[in-house]
Amino acid sequence: AQSVSQHNHHVILSEAASLELGCNYSYGGTVNLFWYVQYPGQHLQLLLKYFSGDPLVKGIKGFEAEFIKSKFSFNLRKPSVQWSDTAEYFCAVNYITGGFKTIFGAGTRLFVKA
Amino acid sequence: NAGVTQTPKFQVLKTGQSMTLQCAQDMNHNSMYWYRQDPGMGLRLIYYSASEGTTDKGEVPNGYNVSRLNKREFSLRLESAAPSQTSVYFCASEKVGGRDGYTFGSGTRLTVV
Repeated sequence: AQSVSQHNHHVILSEAASLELGCNYSYGGTVNLFWYVQYPGQHLQLLLKYFSGDPLVKGIKGFEAEFIKSKFSFNLRKPSVQWSDTAEYFCAVNYITGGFKTIFGAGTRLFVKA
Repeated sequence: NAGVTQTPKFQVLKTGQSMTLQCAQDMNHNSMYWYRQDPGMGLRLIYYSASEGTTDKGEVPNGYNVSRLNKREFSLRLESAAPSQTSVYFCASEKVGGRDGYTFGSGTRLTVV
């Protein structure tokens, strides 16, 4: 079955620390990849996406992610986090042969200490 | 503002009651989705509509029905609510299915007692 794994359920960082959140997906051919962010009490917002081209994609608020096809990974990074980055982050994968359904990971809660 | 509008924002139901969650988007998107969000489980797809006039089951469709009323509106109905349906429900839309990324509504927090 198609699945998406986010290895860290909770991450605590101090401001200015670097961030990397892992995301791996099960093999299933061509994929489109997404990261979403959910700030406390809010709905999910698209952070960045990859569907072709340069495997290093840049999103909003200084986030970036790298698609490594050989590792089935799409890790999210930010060089220096801020208190306002405290949120839950979801990796999502659309398996193109699976049609329109996008599968979400369980999420990673990030808490940034001021 | 353009986006996805969900109503209601909060609802408490008694076991066995029915209700319909409403969702509308004004971005001329083709695809619409209903997800439920439960702690530690991420988002799970209930139903989706790839385009006007079509609907399909997702990962957890039991106990739910949907209607794609027109291109803008996609409603979710709980015919006989159960405590296991206590969750936060999100509607989302996408211009091209699977590729553009979702725009989410603000969610409906449903409690079934």
